[in-house]
This record gives sequence, C-alpha cells and structure tokens, in this order.
Amino acid sequence: SYVLTQPPSVSVAPGQTARITCGGNNIGSKSVHWYQQKPGQAPVLVVYDDSDRPSGIPERFSGSNSGNTATLTISRVEAGDEADYYCQVWDSSSDQGVFGGGTKLTVL
Amino acid sequence: EVQLVESGGGLVQPGGSLRLSCAASGFTFSSYWMSWVRQAPGKGLEWVANIKQDGSEKYYVDSVKGRFTISRDNAKNSLYLQMNSLRAEDTAVYYCARDRIAVAGTWYFDLWGRGTLVTVSS
Repeated sequence: SYVLTQPPSVSVAPGQTARITCGGNNIGSKSVHWYQQKPGQAPVLVVYDDSDRPSGIPERFSGSNSGNTATLTISRVEAGDEADYYCQVWDSSSDQGVFGGGTKLTVL
Repeated sequence: EVQLVESGGGLVQPGGSLRLSCAASGFTFSSYWMSWVRQAPGKGLEWVANIKQDGSEKYYVDSVKGRFTISRDNAKNSLYLQMNSLRAEDTAVYYCARDRIAVAGTWYFDLWGRGTLVTVSS
C-alpha cells in the first residue's frame, strides 16, 4: 500500500515561515490534501488539491507538490497555528485513503 | 448549520460488536460520498471506509475488511458503521467525514464530525 512520510515535529518562531513536508513515491502525480488538528478537536481541511484553500482558511496557508515531496507552507506563523498537521492522498491502486503520520508544529 | 454528529461509541469486549451512527444536517446528504476515519489514542488519522451516494460502492482499509460494514440511509440523512469481531487495536475515536472529489478524481474530506470514542477492552 502507498506510504506517506512526514517529519514528527517542526518548530518555528512566531512570524517566521513553517514548512511541513510529506514524502511519497511519485507523489507529484497525486492530489495532496492537508488537515490541521488541534488537541481535543476534529481535523480541519486547510489545503486541498495540492494548493487550493477552502473558504475561511487564511492565505498564510499554501501548498505545493512535485516529484516525491509535497509541502505545506505556513507564512507569518502565529501561536494559534500550533497543531498537528496531516497530509492525505487517495491510493487509486488499492481504492483506499492514506494519511501521513502527522507533524506536530510547535510555535516557539 | 452544516454539521455531522456521531453517536454509538462505548466500551465493548474483544470479539464484540458495535454500531456507530452519524447524523448529517445542513446539506444534501444524498449528494455526497461519505467516510469513516479513526484515530487511536495519541496516534494519527486512519481512513476506515467510504460509501457512494446510493450505497452501490463501498471501500475499506485492509485491516477492517470482513469485519466492518459501512452503510447509509439517505431518507434519514444518516451514515452507519457496523463493527464486528472487534479487537483492542480498533480502540479509537471514530470520525464521520464528508467526501469531496479531488482534481485527480479521488477524494478528500471537507467536513468532519466531533467523533465518538470506541474502547475495546475486557
């Protein structure tokens, strides 16, 4: 089955830029989606189709996808962005949804 | 208000069964594929199953095939997950989620419920 690999943690100072990666075999050929999950809450979609934002998500959240790596970029990081972030694709070869292991973003 | 509300979680013994429900409101339930996604305590997200609008297509993660059954009742705006032969490793918060079609003709999840906790333990 398809595997997505994320770093367990990323730390960034307020106002700086956070980049969270999601690795997968030829992931650039797939649509990648990103979710934010704060403690005790349900996940929230923040980026879909590699780089599109749902309504209500700040422009500070952006995404890219090429080759074997997709990246979620959070500009001008705020304390409220501290959360776990998950990437997700659909594996058409097995007809199953796949999530990365998640990355804990810490705002220093 | 557009929302999903899960119910039916609880404590069950290994080998037992449980049926989860998800009540949808604020949108045309019958127009969307729907999914169940779970999260074991302190762990990441795991997609479990999804179902087509009319129930004619269903897909499952390998670890639950043959044990779990996803279904829906569009007249009641409800999604279900029948879980049989439960194991300790099925312990998790189970989320109901609305599927959306991605550019590549696959799915992502744009609306989530708050989840219901299933604990499998003797």
